Amino acid sequence: EAGVTQFPSHSVIEKGQTVTLRCDPISGHDNLYWYRRVMGKEIKFLLHFVKESKQDESGMPNNRFLAERTGGTYSTLKVQPAELEDSGVYFCASSQASGGGPWTQYFGPGTRLLVL
Amino acid sequence: RKEVEQDPGPFNVPEGATVAFNCTYSNSASQSFFWYRQDCRKEPKLLMSVYSSGNEDGRFTAQLNRASQYISLLIRDSKLSDSATYLCVVLNSGYSTLTFGKGTMLLVSP
Repeated sequence: EAGVTQFPSHSVIEKGQTVTLRCDPISGHDNLYWYRRVMGKEIKFLLHFVKESKQDESGMPNNRFLAERTGGTYSTLKVQPAELEDSGVYFCASSQASGGGPWTQYFGPGTRLLVL
Repeated sequence: RKEVEQDPGPFNVPEGATVAFNCTYSNSASQSFFWYRQDCRKEPKLLMSVYSSGNEDGRFTAQLNRASQYISLLIRDSKLSDSATYLCVVLNSGYSTLTFGKGTMLLVSP
């Protein structure tokens, strides 16, 4: 079974440009999460989708970040315009959903974003 | 105070040694607890869940003390392949988001 995939693996852009990250969760997983790790810090939660709905977006840093999950399959995370402090590794994770219980979150390999 | 605190290490140990990592968490309402392993430039991977009664998986033993809000991981008979960063992770109430510690780096040498 394929795991969580993310594209691109690396992105180098200039400040002010736009970047779109994509995540394909494990097939059948309704829950999709975005996390980010900036250099020297811990991995931090950004937002959580259940199917196509945003369940929790309390971790989104500001309105330059826009996440979508149309159709409840893959998700995109757009940063527009990018700033230097947006550099880091963006991880996507997915988990199953059915009644009760903390399902294991499986992580993708991450997208390494560098804003110059 | 950070939500999940860990000693960053690195812990340098020889093969065959026993090593223990500790972690504290601040949110007493936290529901579930995990240890993830992260290799250099890779994604975090679940190592084991942590239960109040303590649980063991081969050479790995995890323990949870809810009263002290303290989690531990013990690795016995360390292997070279155990070298990695070990992340203490807490699942918040609502079974939704994970809160990570910064991780403890382990280096096992021959």
